[in-house]
Amino acid sequence: GNSVTQMEGPVTLSEEAFLTINCTYTATGYPSLFWYVQYPGEGLQLLLKATKADDKGSNKGFEATYRKETTSFHLEKGSVQVSDSAVYFCALSGGSNYKLTFGKGTLLTVNP
Amino acid sequence: DAGVTQSPTHLIKTRGQQVTLRCSPKSGHDTVSWYQQALGQGPQFIFQYYEEEERQRGNFPDRFSGHQFPNYSSELNVNALLLGDSALYLCASSGRRQGGSNQPQHFGDGTRLSIL
Repeated sequence: GNSVTQMEGPVTLSEEAFLTINCTYTATGYPSLFWYVQYPGEGLQLLLKATKADDKGSNKGFEATYRKETTSFHLEKGSVQVSDSAVYFCALSGGSNYKLTFGKGTLLTVNP
Repeated sequence: DAGVTQSPTHLIKTRGQQVTLRCSPKSGHDTVSWYQQALGQGPQFIFQYYEEEERQRGNFPDRFSGHQFPNYSSELNVNALLLGDSALYLCASSGRRQGGSNQPQHFGDGTRLSIL
């Protein structure tokens, strides 16, 4: 079945530091890949997505590239802000499989 | 444009009781999915409703059941509650399927269910 593995946190950075959160996946066929963000006490918000190999999703300074050869979808941001502190989830869905399969989440804390 | 709305926001029940959670999808969406998120974990898929029928189901017992109404809103029912059912229950909606099953899902803020 489908599965997502993302780097375990927590990750603590200083403001303006570079962020990478690793995500790899196992899936049959050609899944779509997503990053969701969850702020304290809230639901999940879609951050970015990519639907085919070599696609780059981007939003609010975050980027991730769909790498089929390495089955990866790493999240990056060049300069994080305190307001980026949240839990980040990598997820996939694909083919006739309507559900989203999530990783365990990575807690990011950005200090001023 | 209202997003996905869920009610109630918090709920406290005791073991053995039954609970109903409600979800209104984002305007223009016709598909509703339910997820269970235990503390410190990623959401786990419970089931998805489309055209008032359960289209796909995750690895959850029959105590978990659902319904979708003609206006696309949905309910999640859990019977014979166990302590392990304590979690955040998230509803997600997605748009009319045009190109495949990969329409992005939009989430509500969830219902926090605590079982005593």
